[in-house]
Amino acid sequence: NAGVMQNPRHLVRRRGQEARLRCSPMKGHSHVYWYRQLPEEGLKFMVYLQKENIIDESGMPKERFSAEFPKEGPSILRIQQVVRGDSAAYFCASSPTTSGANVLTFGAGSRLTVL
Amino acid sequence: QKEVEQNSGPLSVPEGAIASLNCTYSDRGSQSFFWYRQYSGKSPELIMSIYSNGDKEDGRFTAQLNKASQYVSLLIRDSQPSDSATYLCAVIKAAGNKLTFGGGTRVLVKP
Repeated sequence: NAGVMQNPRHLVRRRGQEARLRCSPMKGHSHVYWYRQLPEEGLKFMVYLQKENIIDESGMPKERFSAEFPKEGPSILRIQQVVRGDSAAYFCASSPTTSGANVLTFGAGSRLTVL
Repeated sequence: QKEVEQNSGPLSVPEGAIASLNCTYSDRGSQSFFWYRQYSGKSPELIMSIYSNGDKEDGRFTAQLNKASQYVSLLIRDSQPSDSATYLCAVIKAAGNKLTFGGGTRVLVKP
C-alpha cells in the first residue's frame, strides 16, 4: 500500500522556466492538499482539490500558480515563470473522503530550487 | 496576529527530561487540533490529535487543550535524542476544510 507519492523529489529551474510538481494520493484517497514550506518556516496552505474540482484555493498566489486533479492521473501543481522566491519544499497530502483534513498523510515533498 | 502561533525555539532539554511545547490559535471556533513532528529535510508526521478540552495521552506524548484560553500544548516525557525535531501545531478552523499550521518549535534533546 504505497503512501502519497510525489515527484520529482528535487527540481532545479532557472528564472522564467516552468515547474510541474506531481502528486499521487494514497489508494482510496480522493482529497489532495498542497502546502509550501519556505526554509525555517511552517507549512503554508496553498490549495485543496478533489477529483476534477478545486475546493479551496485561498492560499494560491493569484499569478503564475495553478493546480489540477484530473479524473485520471496525479494532481499537478504548476508554477509558471518561476522566480527565486518560489524556491521551497512543496508538500502534498491526501485524505479519505470521509475524514477530510482530520486525517492527512503527507508525501515526501518536492524541493524546488530556482537559480 | 498569526492564526496559529508557536515559539520558534530552539527548546533545549536534557535527555530524560520533559519537553513542554505551547501553541495558541486565534479562531475561537476551531474544533480540531494536531501536533506533527518534522525531522530536518523530511515530511511532517502526525503525532497526536485532540478535539475536546483536557488531556490526551499516547505513550510518552500528552496533548492538552484549553479552548477557553485558545491554547494547546504538547508534553514529551522522558525526552530522547531521537525526539530532536521541529514540532508543528495545526488547527482546523470552524467550518474549515484545511489544516492551518504554526511556524513550528525546534526541539533539541541533549544526551
